[in-house]
Amino acid sequence: EPEVTQTPSHQVTQMGQEVILRCVPISNHLYFYWYRQILGQKVEFLVSFYNNEISEKSEIFDDQFSVERPDGSNFTLKIRSTKLEDSAMYFCASTRREPTIHEQYFGPGTRLTVT
Amino acid sequence: AQTVTQSQPEMSVQEAETVTLSCTYDTSESDYYLFWYKQPPSRQMILVIRQEAYKQQNATENRFSVNFQKAAKSFSLKISDSQLGDAAMYFCAYSPWGKLTFGKGITLSVRP
Repeated sequence: EPEVTQTPSHQVTQMGQEVILRCVPISNHLYFYWYRQILGQKVEFLVSFYNNEISEKSEIFDDQFSVERPDGSNFTLKIRSTKLEDSAMYFCASTRREPTIHEQYFGPGTRLTVT
Repeated sequence: AQTVTQSQPEMSVQEAETVTLSCTYDTSESDYYLFWYKQPPSRQMILVIRQEAYKQQNATENRFSVNFQKAAKSFSLKISDSQLGDAAMYFCAYSPWGKLTFGKGITLSVRP
């Protein structure tokens, strides 16, 4: 069964450094999402992406964040200058067609630790 | 703003028994979808069940069923014949379209 993959599974970085989290959505999916989950807290929406542009973003998704689909398979989340409070689990999700009607498939997550 | 509330942080159930997890939400939308996601210790998010707001019939998936009360904005998950593998964090989520809004989650433990 096709699945969403994410790399790396765990990333440790120093405050102020740039990180890129990578996701490979399911191949025929068209809508892509990033969510984050700070340890012990709820999962929060960051951004949605469709047709090579951001379709919606949350207030968390400030200028330090960017997303890109550099080729036909990868979907990346970049944090330009990491802060301690960026430490969280980051989930990528994708859906084939109209969101919500079709299930969002989540990847296994990338655990980001900022020291 | 749309909010999802899961007021119980933890619940425990005896293996083979039934447990109900509560969720309420707030929205002014008339059409939307509700979900329960399971997050085991691996932290993978797994869809358990989905309910379309326009459907009066409660969704059922094997041992999992929901009690959807649209007027009360309530969406509870019932797990029947609980198994040890059901132990996980469960999140209720709401979506009118696109992004999911999650509740804080509830930790379910299953006693052997």
